[in-house]
Amino acid sequence: QKEVEQNSGPLSVPEGAIASLNCTYSDRGSQSFFWYRQYSGKSPELIMFIYSNGDKEDGRFTAQLNKASQYVSLLIRDSQPSDSATYLCAPHASGGSYIPTFGRGTSLIVHP
Amino acid sequence: DAMVIQNPRYQVTQFGKPVTLSCSQTLNHNVMYWYQQKSSQAPKLLFHYYDKDFNNEADTPDNFQSRRPNTSFCFLDIRSPGLGDAAMYLCATSSSLDRDYEQYFGPGTRLTVT
Repeated sequence: QKEVEQNSGPLSVPEGAIASLNCTYSDRGSQSFFWYRQYSGKSPELIMFIYSNGDKEDGRFTAQLNKASQYVSLLIRDSQPSDSATYLCAPHASGGSYIPTFGRGTSLIVHP
Repeated sequence: DAMVIQNPRYQVTQFGKPVTLSCSQTLNHNVMYWYQQKSSQAPKLLFHYYDKDFNNEADTPDNFQSRRPNTSFCFLDIRSPGLGDAAMYLCATSSSLDRDYEQYFGPGTRLTVT
């Protein structure tokens, strides 16, 4: 059984702060890791993906991956109220599978 | 713009009355998925098509069926909706030409069962 664990939150941060969202996964064979943003009542939107151990930066977003610890995180710098959403972690591509396993997501609230 | 479209966006049905949700895509992706998502939960995969091959998840109730008449369209049929089937239904697509099978989601259909 593949499991993805995320703290459901809500994680509340002030505007301009760094938001840190964490995810652990059980499937050691997971190869790639996707982060989706989901606004309330909307569908998920892909914002970042990472394959290799270490950091990957894209604008205000940084994904961090540690396969040995089965841990992936998403940092959002200079958080804005518009970043308030649920962030879903989705590891996949284990053993050639193309089906991601979604976590339940962490709710982020950025307050002015 | 290439996209995934779901209709209707909101659907209200009565307990036990069959309902069909539709999904279309202009991305020419060969893989299409149907997810059910309830409040504060992860999207739950119901089934997917890889080309014409239908793949049902083991825990998807028999009440849920799907059809894919061509590459562009996919339908979700709920034969006898129960109150527990009220949820957001998400259609997604991906391509086997994409190494990572990145999923593109439609806007979803919010189903209410009365």
